[in-house]
Amino acid sequence: DTEVTQTPKHLVMGMTNKKSLKCEQHMGHRAMYWYKQKAKKPPELMFVYSYEKLSINESVPSRFSPECPNSSLLNLHLHALQPEDSALYLCASSLTYQETQYFGPGTRLLVL
Amino acid sequence: AQSVTQPDIHITVSEGASLELRCNYSYGATPYLFWYVQSPGQGLQLLLKYFSGDTLVQGIKGFEAEFKRSQSSFNLRKPSVHWSDAAEYFCAVGAKTPGGYNKLIFGAGTRLAVHP
Repeated sequence: DTEVTQTPKHLVMGMTNKKSLKCEQHMGHRAMYWYKQKAKKPPELMFVYSYEKLSINESVPSRFSPECPNSSLLNLHLHALQPEDSALYLCASSLTYQETQYFGPGTRLLVL
Repeated sequence: AQSVTQPDIHITVSEGASLELRCNYSYGATPYLFWYVQSPGQGLQLLLKYFSGDTLVQGIKGFEAEFKRSQSSFNLRKPSVHWSDAAEYFCAVGAKTPGGYNKLIFGAGTRLAVHP
């Protein structure tokens, strides 16, 4: 089973709201990733967690705050977002940080 | 710097026709190469991958890809396309960061349309 789940599927939020995206996998993977994908563009890496520690932050603005409470769960906390942050947010996981990444279905975010 | 080029932004084929999607990469060491497919509004599904060994790689849904080091290419092929293959296809290279992490670098994608 190579399933990564993400909730919610869709999210609409105002620029003053605080919301969270959730990602979960039960494959025993120890690396988890957040990507941002704008329309008609490839995914862009935001964060990498390896063994529940933040390993890569691709210079993402602080209004995006990742959290990895345990090896199966990855959250992305959102605060004071801008309309240009509207995108599809994809979560991925891999057995280790050197292995194949498997993606979830994504959360489509609209910031008004 | 590592990069991936997918020369074809859009490709249209007839159902039942053969398909080849091109991918060229730039990477100093032996690359890890991937093809992912994305249906509209969905996540990315792994079609196949190349790490080492046999340069002809078989994937899901009848796809295959061939790694050619001399041409820095990893083209995706399918002998007979089905209407359900219409989607966006991304080629990616797994590049090692200074910390040893496997960072995926994606090409711009090729959008495949299938005519009945």
